[in-house]
Amino acid sequence: AQSVTQLGSHVSVSEGALVLLRCNYSSSVPPYLFWYVQYPNQGLQLLLKYTSAATLVKGINGFEAEFKKSETSFHLTKPSAHMSDAAEYFCAVSDGGQAGTALIFGKGTTLSVSS
Amino acid sequence: NAGVTQTPKFQVLKTGQSMTLQCAQDMNHNSMYWYRQDPGMGLRLIYYSASEGTTDKGEVPNGYNVSRLNKREFSLRLESAAPSQTSVYFCASRPSRVQETQYFGPGTRLLVL
Repeated sequence: AQSVTQLGSHVSVSEGALVLLRCNYSSSVPPYLFWYVQYPNQGLQLLLKYTSAATLVKGINGFEAEFKKSETSFHLTKPSAHMSDAAEYFCAVSDGGQAGTALIFGKGTTLSVSS
Repeated sequence: NAGVTQTPKFQVLKTGQSMTLQCAQDMNHNSMYWYRQDPGMGLRLIYYSASEGTTDKGEVPNGYNVSRLNKREFSLRLESAAPSQTSVYFCASRPSRVQETQYFGPGTRLLVL
């Protein structure tokens, strides 16, 4: 069975500081990995996804993530935080196999950005 | 192109009442999903429909039923609401090809008293 663990339910950074949100996965098959962002009172928006091509994936808003098979990790980073990055972030995994396969989500990490 | 739409945005129910949450997508996607989001729990799958005419249970299906009315619409029904069903409900759709992204609606906030 697949699973996702997000380390740290809450991360606080200063504006301009590095953002690092951690995600580890468990999967018996090559995974497809996603990061979604949720702003207050809104739905989920895709930040980026890993689909077995390049291991370093660039997404929207300056975020990127690196797939490390040896560490079963897919951590999300941004070199310089902006106030508008404050939101909840979800890591998700899918085996992408059968039609209709759902995503398995982590419990989420709330990012706070202070000025 | 509205993407995934959900109605209502917010609902208050009394214990034992029933209601149907509506979801529609205009992207011609094959697969549709219902998730619930609870604090500290992430999103958990309630039911999904891989294609028109099929539905399957997810991780937390108890107390819910679904109908895939046509390719566009996928509804979630609570027959007898319970306080434990207080949550935010998200509908999502996917083209159903391998690797494809799921697209989410704005959510329905449900409070059961």
